[in-house]
Amino acid sequence: DVKVTQSSRYLVKRTGEKVFLECVQDMDHENMFWYRQDPGLGLRLIYFSYDVKMKEKGDIPEGYSVSREKKERFSLILESASTNQTSMYLCASSFMAGALQNTEAFFGQGTRLTVV
Amino acid sequence: AQRVTQPEKLLSVFKGAPVELKCNYSYSGSPELFWYVQYSRQRLQLLLRHISRESIKGFTADLNKGETSFHLKKPFAQEEDSAMYYCALSGDYGGSQGNLIFGKGTKLSVKP
Repeated sequence: DVKVTQSSRYLVKRTGEKVFLECVQDMDHENMFWYRQDPGLGLRLIYFSYDVKMKEKGDIPEGYSVSREKKERFSLILESASTNQTSMYLCASSFMAGALQNTEAFFGQGTRLTVV
Repeated sequence: AQRVTQPEKLLSVFKGAPVELKCNYSYSGSPELFWYVQYSRQRLQLLLRHISRESIKGFTADLNKGETSFHLKKPFAQEEDSAMYYCALSGDYGGSQGNLIFGKGTKLSVKP
């Protein structure tokens, strides 16, 4: 079974703190993603990485950065947490698109972050 | 612009009734489309993808390029189908392929 594991299920942080959300996958997937999930807004892409040390901004990158030093690990960093970053954060991974590749994305269980 | 639109936030039907969850997309190239589902307290998972052209849990979806739609259908809804459904499009960011753009989701509620 593909496993995408997020380091924390629940987090509570204070405004201004630097926050790290970690994600690990064990399927040797090239692509990894960070989304935030909010009621009525669906999933919005924060950042996307298609290779080690490579990253692309998604729709809402402001206030976030990412790190991908190893293929299996993709970290989301909130440089200075704010209350409007309170949300459910989802990590996902998939193979790079190709003629015969299945590009199904596999998701982690999510991290519910509350910034107070 | 690449975009996925799900016009209904909530869809409520009775058990045994037909279900259609709407999805429209905007994409300049040849799209790859998916339906993902999230049951209560479970992680988001793939339901079906248009390339497979298969039926999963009684659900089917046909890609209509003329109408740019990928509606999800099931002839007879079951209570266990109650969940959040997301339509997704595989698009491009910076020339890289494989990322997913999601709609806002439709919550399906099947009443007994």
